[in-house]
Amino acid sequence: DTGVSQDPRHKITKRGQNVTFRCDPISEHNRLYWYRQTLGQGPEFLTYFQNEAQLEKSRLLSDRFSAERPKGSFSTLEIQRTEQGDSAMYLCASSLGQYNEQFFGPGTRLTVL
Amino acid sequence: AQRVTQPEKLLSVFKGAPVELKCNYSYSGSPELFWYVQYSRQRLQLLLRHISRESIKGFTADLNKGETSFHLKKPFAQEEDSAMYYCALSVKFNKFYFGSGTKLNVKP
Repeated sequence: DTGVSQDPRHKITKRGQNVTFRCDPISEHNRLYWYRQTLGQGPEFLTYFQNEAQLEKSRLLSDRFSAERPKGSFSTLEIQRTEQGDSAMYLCASSLGQYNEQFFGPGTRLTVL
Repeated sequence: AQRVTQPEKLLSVFKGAPVELKCNYSYSGSPELFWYVQYSRQRLQLLLRHISRESIKGFTADLNKGETSFHLKKPFAQEEDSAMYYCALSVKFNKFYFGSGTKLNVKP
């Protein structure tokens, strides 16, 4: 197990297109988090899962964003009708349980032209 | 509303000098606070959390509820400490709020 992985690492898309990112957490980690990070800022919480259940979603997240974790393993984050303001690094993290350390993936860098 | 403030974007010190990275938070409940570090070309990783009350790589951080601060300190900075440091606040270990980060540059 090499840690949390994310795919793709880079994505360039045109405004209005849909994009989907994948996150594979560390095996047996039941918690999975998504964050967005823009230049000069820290990670911004988007949502988190406990197994397959999405327990909380940031109010900053518009309806164009949706995340799933269908079998409690990998997760996908979809952005519909992308806008230039969506350009950012999207980070995934996982943890074994609520109180344990989050391990971050390398991130997916999205550029919307 | 929960908020984490790191007032310094960049902090430069010489090797062997003491370093203090400032973090202030805003939260009405009982805070869980963390410091994360990101070395060049590496992933974000946990450095320490206040509930552990441990020292990692010579760094310590004390929670001061009166001043709502969680400053990160190290008595003698090393060149390998150069990195981006983020302070984070957790609400019941569910939502995490990160500060905007401080870049520490340790000069030889």
